[in-house]
Amino acid sequence: AQSVTQLDSQVPVFEEAPVELRCNYSSSVSVYLFWYVQYPNQGLQLLLKYLSGSTLVKGINGFEAEFNKSQTSFHLRKPSVHISDTAEYFCAVRINTGFQKLVFGTGTRLLVSP
Amino acid sequence: DSGVTQTPKHLITATGQRVTLRCSPRSGDLSVYWYQQSLDQGLQFLIQYYNGEERAKGNILERFSAQQFPDLHSELNLSSLELGDSALYFCASSVEAGVSDEQFFGPGTRLTVL
Repeated sequence: AQSVTQLDSQVPVFEEAPVELRCNYSSSVSVYLFWYVQYPNQGLQLLLKYLSGSTLVKGINGFEAEFNKSQTSFHLRKPSVHISDTAEYFCAVRINTGFQKLVFGTGTRLLVSP
Repeated sequence: DSGVTQTPKHLITATGQRVTLRCSPRSGDLSVYWYQQSLDQGLQFLIQYYNGEERAKGNILERFSAQQFPDLHSELNLSSLELGDSALYFCASSVEAGVSDEQFFGPGTRLTVL
């Protein structure tokens, strides 16, 4: 079975500082990887996804993530955060065959302060 | 706005009761997914329907059931409600049921069981 670990439950950062949200996964088969963002009182929105190809994936709102197969990681980064980036971020995996059950991590709350 | 709608937005009910949550997928999407988000269990996949047929089951309790109608909207029925069923229930939809298809999430229905 697949699993996702987001070690940081909360990451406080100042506006315009860089940030990295960590995600590690476990799977015995090949997976697709995703980052979703959840703003307060809203549903989840896809930030970016890795299906194949280049291991550096660029997403919306200036976010990017790098797939590292040897370290089974898919960390999310942004070089300069804004107050509006304050939200909950979820890493998710899905096996790349069969039906598409998404397995989510526990989430990381990004708190951006001025 | 993802294009996925869910009603009602909030639902407050008592233990032992039965409720129905409704989801309308994006126009043209054939696949619908239900997820439960709770503080203790995190985000969990419940069930998937594709073009009216059940495609996959996740951690869905026997007290819960779902269906997808010919117009492709879906309903999640929760019965014999317990305090622990209090959670945010999300619906998501995708065009097909392929593994790489992006899932678009609705805003969720917050269920409170008193």
